[in-house]
Amino acid sequence: EAEVAQSPRYKITEKSQAVAFWCDPISGHATLYWYRQILGQGPELLVQFQDESVVDDSQLPKDRFSAERLKGVDSTLKIQPAELGDSAMYLCASSFAADTQYFGPGTRLTVL
Amino acid sequence: SQQGEEDPQALSIQEGENATMNCSYKTSINNLQWYRQNSGRGLVHLILIRSNEREKHSGRLRVTLDTSKKSSSLLITASRAADTASYFCATAVSMRFGAGTRLTVKP
Repeated sequence: EAEVAQSPRYKITEKSQAVAFWCDPISGHATLYWYRQILGQGPELLVQFQDESVVDDSQLPKDRFSAERLKGVDSTLKIQPAELGDSAMYLCASSFAADTQYFGPGTRLTVL
Repeated sequence: SQQGEEDPQALSIQEGENATMNCSYKTSINNLQWYRQNSGRGLVHLILIRSNEREKHSGRLRVTLDTSKKSSSLLITASRAADTASYFCATAVSMRFGAGTRLTVKP
């Protein structure tokens, strides 16, 4: 069964450092989402791609976060510089028709 | 807001009992989805109900949708300890999630 891949699974960094997360969606899924989930809360949508185009990045803190999906397949989410408040689970999801989402296992980020 | 809001925030039941959780939303929708998240894991899609459907079943899950009240409910029958998780609803318009319902099923 096809799955969404994410790496790394865990990342520990110091504040002010740069971090990057990678996501490989299910083959053929045109829509890709990045979410941030703070412990005890629901996932917060950071950015949504349709192929290589950004559809919604209204909740992305653009002063420090960036996301790209250059060839419309895999995607990278970057934080520079990381802050203590960025500690969270970063989830990637993909969908074929912008309805049912398939989530990856997530990347747990700890900023020290 | 286009996100779903789940209620209650937490629910604790005994194994074998039924669990009901609710979702409210504020805008018109094409469909509504329910997801489950086990601790520290990604979300798993459970069921999708379209705006022209009133009820849908999948195994031990039953979902209802009332578009006039902008609400949905998820019923898990004969719950098991393995059902312990957080449950979220999301509308297809913007795929935003609420805080979820944390279900604990005690053996």
